[in-house]
Amino acid sequence: AQRVTQPEKLLSVFKGAPVELKCNYSYSGSPELFWYVQYSRQRLQLLLRHISRESIKGFTADLNKGETSFHLKKPFAQEEDSAMYYCALGPEAIGNNRLAFGKGNQVVVIP
Amino acid sequence: GAGVSQSPSNKVTEKGKDVELRCDPISGHTALYWYRQSLGQGLEFLIYFQGNSAPDKSGLPSDRFSAERTGGSVSTLTIQRTQQEDSAVYLCASSRSGTDSNQPQHFGDGTRLSIL
Repeated sequence: AQRVTQPEKLLSVFKGAPVELKCNYSYSGSPELFWYVQYSRQRLQLLLRHISRESIKGFTADLNKGETSFHLKKPFAQEEDSAMYYCALGPEAIGNNRLAFGKGNQVVVIP
Repeated sequence: GAGVSQSPSNKVTEKGKDVELRCDPISGHTALYWYRQSLGQGLEFLIYFQGNSAPDKSGLPSDRFSAERTGGSVSTLTIQRTQQEDSAVYLCASSRSGTDSNQPQHFGDGTRLSIL
């Protein structure tokens, strides 16, 4: 069963426009949620996690338990935000410290 | 080392051959993970090691896949009798502890495997 859903494969936005990447999860308990990012020719890296409640590179993500969502947002997209973004759930929801990743969103910021 | 190291970075082989992929985790990280990244499929969990033991092998797609970890450090993922559908990027990650979810997973650059 798909635990993490990222509905849009490709998202194109103009520089300076807001960007929102949707992530919905399946878990009835208190989830641990993460956003990972992979820039071109770089390794996958942690962007932010809900437990930290922090803003990284202008991105924020709020956990909404009622909607089982953890959408990633940035008010003004920059060209350097072009990357692949993955939402991940786990490990308590998944077990054995593994993460369940969504299929990812390719973000292209148009100059 | 400074980060998770994987080798080779690229591997092209003929269908039916065996391949071995290597992962060198960050020093001191007890947990090690293998994932597979395929086009349009996102990241698929394969196997997780805590120390040298693998409490979760549920993600291995078939019995042609196996993995081991020795000395609580280096891990190898072996694919026997490779098939074209095995073509993917194989990612390794490590974390300081497999039992503390606050410890993030650090990923390597991956091995791009192409089966002809």
